[in-house]
Amino acid sequence: DTEVTQTPKHLVMGMTNKKSLKCEQHMGHRAMYWYKQKAKKPPELMFVYSYEKLSINESVPSRFSPECPNSSLLNLHLHALQPEDSALYLCASSQDSSGVLNEQYFGPGTRLTVT
Amino acid sequence: GNSVTQMEGPVTLSEEAFLTINCTYTATGYPSLFWYVQYPGEGLQLLLKATKADDKGSNKGFEATYRKETTSFHLEKGSVQVSDSAVYFCALSDITRGFQKLVFGTGTRLLVSP
Repeated sequence: DTEVTQTPKHLVMGMTNKKSLKCEQHMGHRAMYWYKQKAKKPPELMFVYSYEKLSINESVPSRFSPECPNSSLLNLHLHALQPEDSALYLCASSQDSSGVLNEQYFGPGTRLTVT
Repeated sequence: GNSVTQMEGPVTLSEEAFLTINCTYTATGYPSLFWYVQYPGEGLQLLLKATKADDKGSNKGFEATYRKETTSFHLEKGSVQVSDSAVYFCALSDITRGFQKLVFGTGTRLLVSP
């Protein structure tokens, strides 16, 4: 099973709302990632978790708050977002995060619209 | 820093035509190279990979060879189908602050008509 699942598939939220995106994998991978993808652009890395610890934060604004409750789950908590945060949010996982040989497996994404 | 350059799209082909999507990279060291495909409204799927010079990755009729001398990893397919219409991303694996990071090209949209 090489599946990464993400919920919800679509999300519309106002600028004062609080919502969460969820990601799950059951491949035994120890590294998980959040990416943001704007239309017609490549994915941009936001966060890297390795063995349930936050390892990389690519200078992401604090209105995005990641959480890794266990090795299979990754959440992204959203609060006070701006319309320019509307994008496709992709989760990925890999066996671990330290080797160049590791391939990342991506979920289908959550399409977020901030109104 | 490390970077990936892909040919501008869209690439428009008729069914059964030969496909080439060019990808070149700039890197220190010896990164792994990947092609990912993104179908409309979906996430990225790993299409193929190569981990060292002269490796050939292949999957679903697509192939790409890691050419160190030309720093290239061009994607090819002998006969495209309408179902191959998607955006293709070339990527390399970089290690930054001790952790793997994928560096993506800008993506190339492929449109295949019947």
